[in-house]
Amino acid sequence: QVQLVESGGGLVKPGGSLRLSCAASGFTFSDYYMNWIRQAPGKGLEWVSSIINRGTTIYYADSVKGRFTISRDSAKNSLYLQMNSLRAEDTAVYYCARGRPELDYWGQGTLVTVSS
Amino acid sequence: DIQMTQSPSSLSASVGDRVTITCRASQGIRNYLAWYQQKPGKVPKLLIYAASTLESGVPSRFSGSGFGTDFTLTIGSLQPEDFATYYCQKYNGAPWTFGQGTKVEIK
Repeated sequence: QVQLVESGGGLVKPGGSLRLSCAASGFTFSDYYMNWIRQAPGKGLEWVSSIINRGTTIYYADSVKGRFTISRDSAKNSLYLQMNSLRAEDTAVYYCARGRPELDYWGQGTLVTVSS
Repeated sequence: DIQMTQSPSSLSASVGDRVTITCRASQGIRNYLAWYQQKPGKVPKLLIYAASTLESGVPSRFSGSGFGTDFTLTIGSLQPEDFATYYCQKYNGAPWTFGQGTKVEIK
């Protein structure tokens, strides 16, 4: 069955960096859009970034453009999100989600807290 | 960028009620619209895609309609397990914007 397992979240100071990973299994990883979605505490869902076509096409939300980098490794069936210059407003649960492009499977999420 | 606006932001309803949630796009998105359900502390779940296609395994009391800029999610007869927050999302291109959510609460 399809599984998405995120890791790498934690507490980081403003201006710091963090790298999230998402291990995928149960499907042909390279056949799907892969996405990062986040949800700040008590708030709604926010699309963060998508990577399509084995990594040749990438999109970012304006709120993270220039600070976050999405990547994928088809050999490892893994999705990544490198987050630099983190801000308090980046505090959220970060979900990895498979896209068809509609988001049919989601991981359980990993919490990123940006605080001094 | 295209904005997605849901209404209402919250509603109170009783078991058995028919519930309708609307989602409006600031520009036309054809039928590139999905609906998700999220229960407290849980992961979002895909309910409907292509505006009106029910995802496999989703109960038939859920239905979607619309094209272009105006879309609706209808729950035909509200069940106890349907109390949750519902989100629409456009996916006709980046950014894949979500609506702000509609919380369905017990009356």
